[in-house]
Amino acid sequence: AQRVTQPEKLLSVFKGAPVELKCNYSYSGSPELFWYVQYSRQRLQLLLRHISRESIKGFTADLNKGETSFHLKKPFAQEEDSAMYYCALKQGGKYIFGTGTRLKVLA
Amino acid sequence: NAGVTQTPKFQVLKTGQSMTLQCAQDMNHEYMSWYRQDPGMGLRLIHYSVGAGITDQGEVPNGYNVSRSTTEDFPLRLLSAAPSQTSVYFCASRANSNQPQHFGDGTRLSIL
Repeated sequence: AQRVTQPEKLLSVFKGAPVELKCNYSYSGSPELFWYVQYSRQRLQLLLRHISRESIKGFTADLNKGETSFHLKKPFAQEEDSAMYYCALKQGGKYIFGTGTRLKVLA
Repeated sequence: NAGVTQTPKFQVLKTGQSMTLQCAQDMNHEYMSWYRQDPGMGLRLIHYSVGAGITDQGEVPNGYNVSRSTTEDFPLRLLSAAPSQTSVYFCASRANSNQPQHFGDGTRLSIL
């Protein structure tokens, strides 16, 4: 069955430290993966998707088909990065979301 | 454009009551979805629609009905509310399969 796993419920890092939010998936076809972010009191919004190969707000994510992973990384965390992050897999007309990781960046 | 609008923002129901959560989008998006967000469970898909007149079940459809009479609206109905349906409900839409989802602000529903 297709699923998305985010093993960490909470990740706390100090400002300026590197960040890696883990995401693993299981999918039999060619995956389309996304990272969504929800800042406090804001709507859930798209952060980035693997097909774009872009860097948004300093975040990048590389699809590793061998390890079936799509980890989200940022070299230097900032306080405004504190939010809830969801990894998602698109399957046809629907998305499968992970359970989310809350990132807290400490001053 | 208002984007995706959900009403109400908050609601408290008694067990057994029925309720319709409204979702409207003004972006002429074909795809619309309903999710529930629960602590430790992430977002789980309840129902989705790929166009007017077409709906399909997601991961947790039991206890919920949907319809898609128009492109703009995608209401979610709770026929007989149960405490297990206490959650935050999010509606999302996207133009087509290749476009990102736009989410509403959510509806916080408590069932006593």
